[in-house]
Amino acid sequence: EVQLVESGGGLVQPGGSLRLSCSASGFTFSNYAMHWVRQAPGKGLEYVSAISSNGGSTYYADSVKGRFTISRDNSKNTLYLQMSSLRAEDTAVYYCVKSLSGNYYYVPVDYWGQGTLVTVSS
Amino acid sequence: DIQMTQSPSSLSASVGDRVTITCRASQGISNYLAWFQQKPGKAPKSLIFAASSLQSGVPSKFSGSGSGTDFTLIISSLQPEDFATYYCQQYNSYPGTFGQGTKLEI
Repeated sequence: EVQLVESGGGLVQPGGSLRLSCSASGFTFSNYAMHWVRQAPGKGLEYVSAISSNGGSTYYADSVKGRFTISRDNSKNTLYLQMSSLRAEDTAVYYCVKSLSGNYYYVPVDYWGQGTLVTVSS
Repeated sequence: DIQMTQSPSSLSASVGDRVTITCRASQGISNYLAWFQQKPGKAPKSLIFAASSLQSGVPSKFSGSGSGTDFTLIISSLQPEDFATYYCQQYNSYPGTFGQGTKLEI
């Protein structure tokens, strides 16, 4: 059974940093691209970042480019999102999402984690 | 970025009804279109990919169609558990933009 378990969320002050983790199990993690998608309270889904299966390719939404860094440790089956210079508008539930197949482009997602809440407030 | 527009934004229906949700892309995306269901306080659930292919375990009451810029999600014989918010997403190019959502209410 595929499981994606996010952790690391919490309350942080504006300008602060936080690192999210997503522990994956039930599939060969190193074979799949992975994504982060967020959802602000009461709002819709926003695509944040992606990383290829070997970590060699990454993508960032303009809203987080230069502030967030996506990475992965295939030996630990773990996906990360390092967030810095956090703003109030980054407040959201952050979901870890698995790609359906191993390609980086033109591939849909299938499994979602339960999400971790990040609140940026003083 | 490709913009995704869903309609309607909200929809009232009854148990047993058949409903249609549409999604339009601001440019052609072939069939690189997915649909998701989200219930309050829960993570989204993947329903459909490639515009019309059901994800594993998704009942056949859900169906999708379309190509290019116009897509539809049809839910037949609505049951209480189907009342949720539905999102489309294009994955033709990064970022994989989402529609604004359609809230399906009783």
